[in-house]
Amino acid sequence: DAGVIQSPRHEVTEMGQEVTLRCKPISGHNSLFWYRQTMMRGLELLIYFNNNVPIDDSGMPEDRFSAKMPNASFSTLKIQPSEPRDSAVYFCASSPGLAVSGANVLTFGAGSRLTVL
Amino acid sequence: AQSVTQLGSHVSVSEGALVLLRCNYSSSVPPYLFWYVQYPNQGLQLLLKYTSAATLVKGINGFEAEFKKSETSFHLTKPSAHMSDAAEYFCAVRANQAGTALIFGKGTTLSVSS
Repeated sequence: DAGVIQSPRHEVTEMGQEVTLRCKPISGHNSLFWYRQTMMRGLELLIYFNNNVPIDDSGMPEDRFSAKMPNASFSTLKIQPSEPRDSAVYFCASSPGLAVSGANVLTFGAGSRLTVL
Repeated sequence: AQSVTQLGSHVSVSEGALVLLRCNYSSSVPPYLFWYVQYPNQGLQLLLKYTSAATLVKGINGFEAEFKKSETSFHLTKPSAHMSDAAEYFCAVRANQAGTALIFGKGTTLSVSS
């Protein structure tokens, strides 16, 4: 298995521009997570999906952030408009789910490093 | 709400010395606990997990952790550090009993000197 695949790996954009981050989870995994990592705040859970349905988006910082999972093999995290304080590494992770593993082990992608100028 | 606190944002050891990374948790449900490792410019990788079975959990690369309910701790140890252990280590707890998300600590950077 290729693991969790994220794109782009690096994104540099200017304030006000729209940013779209993409994620392909491991085939067969039922849960997908978006995390944000910064020096100040560490790893923050933004949103997660079970079976393509958003379960908890309480971590999404503002209405400028949105996430979708149109099918089991693809998810996007969109920021519109972007701001410098959105600069961070955004991680996508997937897991088989509690019913399969009994304890939810997340597999992470390599991350997308976003810089907003 | 569930949370984890990692004591010490930076730990330095000599090669061959004992590694001890501290994690304390708070959980209103029976905790499932995890340690992940992150190497530079990479995603997080699972080291080990505790899911209410044996309290001493062995993971990859010679690491182990002991669940102590009375101390609400889940410290990570390795008897002898290797240069390749230099990385950032994260402790995590499941967010709730029904859900599947994890809540992570702020991380501890481990440096290993020769």
